[in-house]
Amino acid sequence: QVQLQESGPGLVKPSQSLSLTCTISGSSVTTGGYYWSWIRQHPGKGLEWIVYFYYSGSTYYNPSLKSRVTISADTSKNQFSLKLSSVTAADTAVYYCARRPYGDKGGATFDIWGQGTLVIVSS
Amino acid sequence: QSVLTQAPSASGTPGQRVTISCSGSRSNIGSNYVSWFQHLPGTAPKLLIYRNYQRPSGVPDRFSGSKSGTSASLAISGLQSEDEADYYCATWDDSLNGPVFGGGTKLTVL
Repeated sequence: QVQLQESGPGLVKPSQSLSLTCTISGSSVTTGGYYWSWIRQHPGKGLEWIVYFYYSGSTYYNPSLKSRVTISADTSKNQFSLKLSSVTAADTAVYYCARRPYGDKGGATFDIWGQGTLVIVSS
Repeated sequence: QSVLTQAPSASGTPGQRVTISCSGSRSNIGSNYVSWFQHLPGTAPKLLIYRNYQRPSGVPDRFSGSKSGTSASLAISGLQSEDEADYYCATWDDSLNGPVFGGGTKLTVL
């Protein structure tokens, strides 16, 4: 059974960077066939895709966030991480990691999600 | 403001059939596949429907999906109290070149 778990600071100061980690169990970040993603949900709002990547391939960014997003993978810990720089209050949201099948052309088939972690940007 | 439009709320009584709608445009729903997710706050969202009407293993056939033009629908038949949750639609957007989501519909079982 594949599970994802987000972790990271719940409070970040404005202008600083937000760093979150997604730990994978029951699968591997290096396993072919899946994109690994970050998605967020602002309070009381819908979901917003941030970034997804294929371990041995490319990374795809939401254009509105691309300049501030860095994604990386730690194969020794079977984790992937999100760094969002220069945060403001508008980045306050619940952040989710999720998995999407590689062959999902034209779809949004996020088949496994983490529970999400709330990040508040405030001084 | 979400790219896909959903009514903020819906309701039904146990045993009833309810439908949740999702409206988009030609660049997203009109030319791509729709997924539906069930979400209880504090838990991981669950994939209910993918590729417009396909159900993952383990999802009851009470849940069904359809798509017509630039709109899609999720139908829940034989409504149960445990179906009370938020439901989100999603699809690919050719203009964004990425996935987009609806604002969610909160389903209340009366």
